[in-house]
Amino acid sequence: EPEVTQTPSHQVTQMGQEVILRCVPISNHLYFYWYRQILGQKVEFLVSFYNNEISEKSEIFDDQFSVERPDGSNFTLKIRSTKLEDSAMYFCASSINAGGIADTQYFGPGTRLTVL
Amino acid sequence: RKEVEQDPGPFNVPEGATVAFNCTYSNSASQSFFWYRQDCRKEPKLLMSVYSSGNEDGRFTAQLNRASQYISLLIRDSKLSDSATYLCVVNMGYGGATNKLIFGTGTLLAVQP
Repeated sequence: EPEVTQTPSHQVTQMGQEVILRCVPISNHLYFYWYRQILGQKVEFLVSFYNNEISEKSEIFDDQFSVERPDGSNFTLKIRSTKLEDSAMYFCASSINAGGIADTQYFGPGTRLTVL
Repeated sequence: RKEVEQDPGPFNVPEGATVAFNCTYSNSASQSFFWYRQDCRKEPKLLMSVYSSGNEDGRFTAQLNRASQYISLLIRDSKLSDSATYLCVVNMGYGGATNKLIFGTGTLLAVQP
């Protein structure tokens, strides 16, 4: 069964450093997403990406965040200068289409980011 | 009012029990609805989509009441393996390029032997 993969599983970084989280979506999916979950809190939407551009972003997704699809398979989330409050689990998701009941989002296993 | 509201639990039930979870959502323009399951420190996994007519998948039954903006999940004959956090999820998208999922905080279920 196809699945979304993410690397690394755990990233530890110092405050102010740049991090890049990587995702390989399911191969025939066209829509890509990043969500985050701070420990003990709910899953929160960060950004959606389609046709090589951001289609929607949340208030959390400020100028420190960027996304990219550098090749035909990878989808990355970059945090330019990490803050302590960026510590969270980051989930990548993908879907075939957008909207409607049939367009299920499938989640990767997540990258746990710890900012010291 | 929270966008998606759930009772956080925990629900502690014996094996074989029937348990029901409820969820309300605030935005009447919401288009599609789901229950996801999340095990501790794992990713959310789709349990089932929720249709207006109600739908069933084995021991799981989901109901949607658009007028009341209310979603429910019923689990019959609980198994130990059902222990997890159940996430009520709403999708604002309707075609096009936006497809944002709004998650509730989740309801923790602990099935006891």
